[in-house]
Amino acid sequence: DAGVTQSPTHLIKTRGQQVTLRCSPKSGHDTVSWYQQALGQGPQFIFQYYEEEERQRGNFPDRFSGHQFPNYSSELNVNALLLGDSALYLCASSLSAGEYQETQYFGPGTRLLVL
Amino acid sequence: QKEVEQDPGPLSVPEGAIVSLNCTYSNSAFQYFMWYRQYSRKGPELLMYTYSSGNKEDGRFTAQVDKSSKYISLFIRDSQPSDSATYLCAMNRSGGSYIPTFGRGTSLIVHP
Repeated sequence: DAGVTQSPTHLIKTRGQQVTLRCSPKSGHDTVSWYQQALGQGPQFIFQYYEEEERQRGNFPDRFSGHQFPNYSSELNVNALLLGDSALYLCASSLSAGEYQETQYFGPGTRLLVL
Repeated sequence: QKEVEQDPGPLSVPEGAIVSLNCTYSNSAFQYFMWYRQYSRKGPELLMYTYSSGNKEDGRFTAQVDKSSKYISLFIRDSQPSDSATYLCAMNRSGGSYIPTFGRGTSLIVHP
């Protein structure tokens, strides 16, 4: 049973560039959430996708956008990169049943470095 | 004040010791409490999941929730060097979508 997978594993960009990160959820899961984890900090919620729509959003600027595809995979896009965007970006998947969600399972993350 | 407070450590213990990891929180609406283990440069892995107050045991791990004190703990018995990792507490309100609030994590080092 494949768990949550993310690509790429590492990425180096320069300020002002744009980046796209990808996530495939655990088999059977239909909900994908994205988190940003700065060094020495806990994960911070960016947004969640369900049924190809953004269901909830954390306190992140609209430079951060996403998409969910019919096969439940998801992309995170960040425009106009800032040095402060350097972090580990985590994808988590879960199964939703109406308003209820089961526990989230995390992928290994994509480490983004902005120079 | 952050909603979830967690001492970042590092906490260094000898192999075989009993480890106690703790978090405090301020939001009384939290009902679901989780502990994640995160190895260096990896994603968090769910260890324990409890609802409301009480204890839950799974092998060498025991999770405790004291809602009256807004305090949760994770105990690790017979600690091993392979337990060396960062331990994140997380908690969630009842109802609605599952978006946990995380602590910053405690770094644990178990030395042989």
